[in-house]
Amino acid sequence: ILNVEQSPQSLHVQEGDSTNFTCSFPSSNFYALHWYRWETAKSPEALFVMTLNGDEKKKGRISATLNTKEGYSYLYIKGSQPEDSATYLCAFTDSWGKFQFGAGTQVVVTP
Amino acid sequence: DAGVTQSPTHLIKTRGQQVTLRCSPKSGHDTVSWYQQALGQGPQFIFQYYEEEERQRGNFPDRFSGHQFPNYSSELNVNALLLGDSALYLCASSLGTGVDEQFFGPGTRLTVL
Repeated sequence: ILNVEQSPQSLHVQEGDSTNFTCSFPSSNFYALHWYRWETAKSPEALFVMTLNGDEKKKGRISATLNTKEGYSYLYIKGSQPEDSATYLCAFTDSWGKFQFGAGTQVVVTP
Repeated sequence: DAGVTQSPTHLIKTRGQQVTLRCSPKSGHDTVSWYQQALGQGPQFIFQYYEEEERQRGNFPDRFSGHQFPNYSSELNVNALLLGDSALYLCASSLGTGVDEQFFGPGTRLTVL
């Protein structure tokens, strides 16, 4: 994989359901993997920065895992709420600090 | 503590014109990075400024240039605008290279007619 790829492009979730989605990234020259939440008309907000293979991070109902050997990260949302509706971006950084973003996964949580 | 601010919010230009976008970093940050987000794509790295010099550059033509001032604020200049330059332009600030964290502004929406 040469680019950062996110899937699915979008998903609709019922309130209360849990969901997850994927970020795939180059496995060479890895420094960090970032997750951002981007709500409409706002600035992207940092959720997690992960650097070590096997890292797991959690923030409230949102958690993320990292596999640097195979080049993927999962983001999980447990018990989705309408306020979780946003586009979730992942970004791969090499040691020079250049961010390479995926196109994002748009999450819509319906009551 | 003000976060990253960008101006203007929206801008409409015509082909061939030149545009300047501005960014003020978060207090205490010394590095500014610029990104272009076209519709349906993720943000694409344009360049990064540190100590008033361009430190890194993405795959953008020379029509895209920048500047960083002593107070760490930054400008993005685009010359000879093309229709394809229509996009959201994001500025992010960080301390150092920003490998650990970058804080984003709300962006400037540029429309080229």
